[in-house]
Amino acid sequence: GAVVSQHPSWVICKSGTSVKIECRSLDFQATTMFWYRQFPKQSLMLMATSNEGSKATYEQGVEKDKFLINHASLTLSTLTVTSAHPEDSSFYICSARALAGFYEQFFGPGTRLTVL
Amino acid sequence: TQLLEQSPQFLSIQEGENLTVYCNSSSVFSSLQWYRQEPGEGPVLLVTVVTGGEVKKLKRLTFQFGDARKDSSLHITAAQPGDTGLYLCAGGNSGGGADGLTFGKGTHLIIQP
Repeated sequence: GAVVSQHPSWVICKSGTSVKIECRSLDFQATTMFWYRQFPKQSLMLMATSNEGSKATYEQGVEKDKFLINHASLTLSTLTVTSAHPEDSSFYICSARALAGFYEQFFGPGTRLTVL
Repeated sequence: TQLLEQSPQFLSIQEGENLTVYCNSSSVFSSLQWYRQEPGEGPVLLVTVVTGGEVKKLKRLTFQFGDARKDSSLHITAAQPGDTGLYLCAGGNSGGGADGLTFGKGTHLIIQP
C-alpha cells in the first residue's frame, strides 16, 4: 500500500518551454501533496504544499508563477515548470499524505528535469 | 526556520561494523522520520517516531527519538553492503496541519564488503 507514482521519470526540454509533472497516489486518497526539489548530492527542499481543491502554499523563495501547482483531485497533483531555464534542472519529487494529522509522507520515485 | 543537522555527512565502513547516524535540532518536532534514498529514486520511509524517548527497531536498525523531541539517532549493527545508501532524517509538525517535512542534509553511507 501507499504507492505514489510520478510521470514522467525524466524529461529533457529546451529553454523557454513548459514542462508538466504528474504525481498520483495509486492506492489511497491524498488530502495533501508536497513538492520537493533535490540538487545533486544535496537533500530535499520543500517547494510547496497543495491541498485538494485549494491553492498551493509556496515556501519562501519559490516563485509561484514559475512553478504552477494544481491539486484537482484526491489522487492527482501536477507541477508545471513554466518557461524553464537551465537553472531549473533538478530532481523533482512529490509526496502524499493520506489524512491531516497523520505523520507519514509517501514519496514518488522522482522526475529528473534537464533544461538545455 | 527549523533546521536539522545530520552527522556524519559521509561514512564508509567495513561490512560487519556498527555505526550511528545523528540528527539534531534546536527545535522541537512533533514527529521524526527516517528515510533511505537510492540514487535516482525517491526516499523510502523506514520509521516514524513521535514520542519523546521512543525506541523502534527494524531488524538491524535501531531508531531513537530524544526525550525532548529535538534529536534522533539511527544505529545499524553488523552493517551489510545492502545498507549502502543515503539516509535522511526529516522532522514534521503535522499536528492536524499540512506542513511539509524539514530534511537533514543526509548521510551518505557506504558499506564495503
